[in-house]
Amino acid sequence: GAGVSQSPSNKVTEKGKDVELRCDPISGHTALYWYRQSLGQGLEFLIYFQGNSAPDKSGLPSDRFSAERTGGSVSTLTIQRTQQEDSAVYLCASSLESSNYGYTFGSGTRLTVV
Amino acid sequence: QKEVEQDPGPLSVPEGAIVSLNCTYSNSAFQYFMWYRQYSRKGPELLMYTYSSGNKEDGRFTAQVDKSSKYISLFIRDSQPSDSATYLCAMTGGGSARQLTFGSGTQLTVLP
Repeated sequence: GAGVSQSPSNKVTEKGKDVELRCDPISGHTALYWYRQSLGQGLEFLIYFQGNSAPDKSGLPSDRFSAERTGGSVSTLTIQRTQQEDSAVYLCASSLESSNYGYTFGSGTRLTVV
Repeated sequence: QKEVEQDPGPLSVPEGAIVSLNCTYSNSAFQYFMWYRQYSRKGPELLMYTYSSGNKEDGRFTAQVDKSSKYISLFIRDSQPSDSATYLCAMTGGGSARQLTFGSGTQLTVLP
């Protein structure tokens, strides 16, 4: 596609439920990133995928968070047993290889845990 | 202390004004510096990027990096109402450092 596509755009879930957030990167982009943006906060790095290499999971805040990337393209971020503090905008981005000059973001999934 | 500090604003200026947005950082390993613009309910959009110290100009936008002071700036000349957005600075050390470290963003409103 022309840009990074994320779905759903909005998600309201009950505390304790699991959620899956999807990211479809720009075709040909081998690097994929997940960030979280809480109200009034900057972007917080979560996880990074590059080609077939092992992902960099150093930003995942707890073991309730996991992500996978299938076939080097689509990625899914899963949050298990959601908590209210998980409420945030989850942003996905992609780039050609490991660009030092930034990358292209999707519009995000706004997650609200009630 | 955060690695990257950015005044959250809000900043409100009249149309046509020169806007100065700034970030300070503490990690001397940062070498690549970016400015992103984020409209409400949209993802950040890359606006400018620079490597190491110096200036870079693109139309009405100028990015400055002073590594000795660990200080970066974005100047917007002849500001327009369409420039109203949140501006985020971001930086990385490059090489094996994959993720960007972001400031918290400055909310800018340009009044017509």
